[in-house]
Amino acid sequence: DQQVKQNSPSLSVQEGRISILNCDYTNSMFDYFLWYKKYPAEGPTFLISISSIKDKNEDGRFTVFLNKSAKHLSLHIVPSQPGDSAVYFCAASEYSNYQLIWGAGTKLIIKP
Amino acid sequence: DAGVTQSPTHLIKTRGQQVTLRCSPKSGHDTVSWYQQALGQGPQFIFQYYEEEERQRGNFPDRFSGHQFPNYSSELNVNALLLGDSALYLCASSLVSGTSFSGNTIYFGEGSWLTVV
Repeated sequence: DQQVKQNSPSLSVQEGRISILNCDYTNSMFDYFLWYKKYPAEGPTFLISISSIKDKNEDGRFTVFLNKSAKHLSLHIVPSQPGDSAVYFCAASEYSNYQLIWGAGTKLIIKP
Repeated sequence: DAGVTQSPTHLIKTRGQQVTLRCSPKSGHDTVSWYQQALGQGPQFIFQYYEEEERQRGNFPDRFSGHQFPNYSSELNVNALLLGDSALYLCASSLVSGTSFSGNTIYFGEGSWLTVV
């Protein structure tokens, strides 16, 4: 039973355009959501997070949107740069729970 | 400041053998979590250690065990290896933050690639 789903295994975007990565979840007890970026042969790197009390969080070129009624969140990258090419993971956690539940990841390819 | 370091980076084991993976957390961090990432999937939580005890465990059999030492470093042991144990094993370190969960306090190592043949 996948509680966190990233339905797009890969996404190709032109450099300079907007990249939108999507994530859906089923557990209504999740109250904290995170996005991680992973390059080959490296561990995941924290990118941005959002608490369930918010619907938007922004950090430079990265913005995460949360729609609790739809149990959906998205990561927007504007403008997309070649260095953004990586696998992006969505993860979620419940209050007082120490584990992260991860999606399967979306491979983002930025075309020059 | 060294981040999270894991060893070995790659290893090959035979079915039925036992393996030990090691992790040194980022300086100043006192909590270590282990995750298993199979090919094409997201990481799966194995367990978390704090104050030398297992604080929380995911859905993994007892063949998976761990240990945390007084210097906060940790080991993951897997007994009676199965082909399905082939995966990337990630160690994550963080500071205890009570009941809050701050993603940006969690740092991951580069992982240990385990292949079981």
